[in-house]
Amino acid sequence: DAGVIQSPRHEVTEMGQEVTLRCKPISGHNSLFWYRQTMMRGLELLIYFNNNVPIDDSGMPEDRFSAKMPNASFSTLKIQPSEPRDSAVYFCASSPGLRISNTGELFFGEGSRLTVL
Amino acid sequence: GQQLNQSPQSMFIQEGEDVSMNCTSSSIFNTWLWYKQDPGEGPVLLIALYKAGELTSNGRLTAQFGITRKDSFLNISASIPSDVGIYFCAGTRSYNTDKLIFGTGTRLQVFP
Repeated sequence: DAGVIQSPRHEVTEMGQEVTLRCKPISGHNSLFWYRQTMMRGLELLIYFNNNVPIDDSGMPEDRFSAKMPNASFSTLKIQPSEPRDSAVYFCASSPGLRISNTGELFFGEGSRLTVL
Repeated sequence: GQQLNQSPQSMFIQEGEDVSMNCTSSSIFNTWLWYKQDPGEGPVLLIALYKAGELTSNGRLTAQFGITRKDSFLNISASIPSDVGIYFCAGTRSYNTDKLIFGTGTRLQVFP
């Protein structure tokens, strides 16, 4: 069975450029999460969706970041304009239900490693 | 910012040794989960705990949900080389949320 699929796996871009990261969650999963991982700050939740609706975007760093989920099988995280401090690994994850206490598991993709020069 | 503190930050052990790591918080958490991350991959769930005092095993792994709801530990018995990776605790502050907060991680290195 296919897991969470992210693209691209690696991206190197120059400061000021727009970056779009893509995610396909596991079919049938209702919740989708975007996390950012850095050495300094660890794994940070940026935003999560339930049934394609953004539930909590309090972790989104600033207006340069935006995320969409136009349908149950696709989500994007966009950074415009990108800055060197955005360099990190961005993970998408999905889960079967609304409450962790009921479902118990996030399934993570392999991540998109972003380097902004 | 981070609300879960893990210790130790890193461990270097010999194959066959037992490992113990823990996670603490100044706030109450209603669920505790332990994940492992291999290099170049996303975290994978190892054990999930939903009740204070709960003790759960998964093969050589054992984890407990602290009675105070502010801590959890993970033990690995008889470590093997494939146990190498970063171990994260995670939890939710509320039952009505999917917002999973991750700990700072414990990096484990196992030498043959």
